[in-house]
Amino acid sequence: AQTVTQSQPEMSVQEAETVTLSCTYDTSENNYYLFWYKQPPSRQMILVIRQEAYKQQNATENRFSVNFQKAAKSFSLKISDSQLGDTAMYFCAFMHQGGSEKLVFGKGTKLTVNP
Amino acid sequence: DARVTQTPRHKVTEMGQEVTMRCQPILGHNTVFWYRQTMMQGLELLAYFRNRAPLDDSGMPKDRFSAEMPDATLATLKIQPSEPRDSAVYFCASGGGLGQWVTYGYTFGSGTRLTVV
Repeated sequence: AQTVTQSQPEMSVQEAETVTLSCTYDTSENNYYLFWYKQPPSRQMILVIRQEAYKQQNATENRFSVNFQKAAKSFSLKISDSQLGDTAMYFCAFMHQGGSEKLVFGKGTKLTVNP
Repeated sequence: DARVTQTPRHKVTEMGQEVTMRCQPILGHNTVFWYRQTMMQGLELLAYFRNRAPLDDSGMPKDRFSAEMPDATLATLKIQPSEPRDSAVYFCASGGGLGQWVTYGYTFGSGTRLTVV
């Protein structure tokens, strides 16, 4: 079974600075997708960024980028120019391609952006 | 923007009572998931449907939980009888075909916060 590990329960960063959230996963599959979801205090789960395992190029969405290391099974999220609105829980998630399309989530990292 | 609508947003009930949570997926989405979120366990998949047919409910306690999709616009999650350990936030998420949701991600509802006292 696939597992997703987020080793940082909590992190904080100063506004305008850069922060990196860690995620590792365990799978025997070769084809899969990885995601980062954001959950602000409103509880809404919001897709931040996704990565297809077959793509070597790291995904980027504005201030958000990932460092995908397939051999190391690592998928970290970098937030540049942090903003107060980035304060939220961040969840890393895995999905096997061609399988059941279930998302397996990590336990999350609580990020606080300080003014 | 299209939204997944969950009702109720909050529910407080006494132990032993029946609880029904409802989800209206986005029109045209053919896959619906139910997740439960707790501090201890994080986000756990309870069940999911494609084209209204249940595909996997292995994460759901069968003796008290049931999930159905009576039609394409409604998914329900029922707990009977409810217990204090069921207290959690229950999320519904929907997605279109594989090509769509890989691009746009599954869309989550705002969740139902259930408290069983």
